[in-house]
Amino acid sequence: EPEVTQTPSHQVTQMGQEVILRCVPISNHLYFYWYRQILGQKVEFLVSFYNNEISEKSEIFDDQFSVERPDGSNFTLKIRSTKLEDSAMYFCASSDLRVTNEKLFFGSGTQLSVL
Amino acid sequence: ELKVEQNPLFLSMQEGKNYTIYCNYSTTSDRLYWYRQDPGKSLESLFVLLSNGAVKQEGRLMASLDTKARLSTLHITAAVHDLSATYFCAVRGGGGSNYKLTFGKGTLLTVNP
Repeated sequence: EPEVTQTPSHQVTQMGQEVILRCVPISNHLYFYWYRQILGQKVEFLVSFYNNEISEKSEIFDDQFSVERPDGSNFTLKIRSTKLEDSAMYFCASSDLRVTNEKLFFGSGTQLSVL
Repeated sequence: ELKVEQNPLFLSMQEGKNYTIYCNYSTTSDRLYWYRQDPGKSLESLFVLLSNGAVKQEGRLMASLDTKARLSTLHITAAVHDLSATYFCAVRGGGGSNYKLTFGKGTLLTVNP
């Protein structure tokens, strides 16, 4: 089965540093998402992206966050100046909303630790 | 704002027993998802439920949806140890959203021999 791939699997950074998390969605999918999960908590929506623009974002997704699809395959999440509370597992996901029984496929995640 | 409530949050079962996890949500939605998560791993899609009365089964797991009651259930039949994981329900939409999934807090299932 096709899968969403994410790199790196772990990222350690100092507070105030910029990080870029990378994702390769499933190739024929058109909708892309970032979610995060703080340890022991539920999964939270950050942003959705379609047709090269943000289609929806949550209140968590403030000016410190940005997303980009720099080429035909990658989808990135940038955090400009990391804070301690940004430490979480970040999941990329993709879907094909043209399919009635569409599923959201999640990548294996990037564990971000901000020190 | 769409709220999704799961219960129980923790479930310890004996192998061979049956049990049900419940997922209530607060506003109308056009689809409901069930996911499984093993520790430190990603979310594995189990079921997508689209319409009232929908029932789907895969192995020992069966999911159903009652859109009028805004309730979905995940029924576990004759549990085995391999089913130990955290199970999340997630609801799409609500509050004008088209794309966002709102997740429940998850049910940590432990199946004991």
